[in-house]
Amino acid sequence: KAGVTQTPRYLIKTRGQQVTLSCSPISGHRSVSWYQQTPGQGLQFLFEYFSETQRNKGNFPGRFSGRQFSNSRSEMNVSTLELGDSALYLCATTRAGTASTDTQYFGPGTRLTVL
Amino acid sequence: SQKIEQNSEALNIQEGKTATLTCNYTNYSPAYLQWYRQDPGRGPVFLLLIRENEKEKRKERLKVTFDTTLKQSLFHITASQPADSATYLCAHGGYNKLIFGAGTRLAVHP
Repeated sequence: KAGVTQTPRYLIKTRGQQVTLSCSPISGHRSVSWYQQTPGQGLQFLFEYFSETQRNKGNFPGRFSGRQFSNSRSEMNVSTLELGDSALYLCATTRAGTASTDTQYFGPGTRLTVL
Repeated sequence: SQKIEQNSEALNIQEGKTATLTCNYTNYSPAYLQWYRQDPGRGPVFLLLIRENEKEKRKERLKVTFDTTLKQSLFHITASQPADSATYLCAHGGYNKLIFGAGTRLAVHP
């Protein structure tokens, strides 16, 4: 069974640009969550999608957005990039997302560097 | 606000010893806690979940305890090996919105 895949793995952008990251869940998984990981703030929840609807949202500015497609694949977008957006962006998927104790399976992450 | 804290940034131990990592929570009472392992440049990998009504849970060389009175979970790795070196994260959350601790870096020396 293939794991969670994220593309691209590495990305370098400059301030003011925008970026789109992609996450393909494990087959059969319908919930996709996104996290930002930085040395200073650790792992922080961005948002979660289930059946193409955003169900949960963390405390991030509106420059961070996402969407989910009918095949459960998800994308997140960051507009007007700032230096502080440099981070490892992780997605995590679960099967149905209705049980709070569902195990989350993380992808390898996308390393974004903003210059 | 809900807060989940891990005991230290780095823990150095000798191979063969037991590593004990701490996770404390404040301002709430989670119904369960999860523990993850993260290697550099990789995503976290789920290890164990313990519910509030479970005092202890084991998986091979791993053991997790949950003390609701102390508001604390302990994560033990027995007979530690250099391959156990990684960052260990505790987390809580519902509906796929996990709140993570800062993590404890464990280094097991031969």
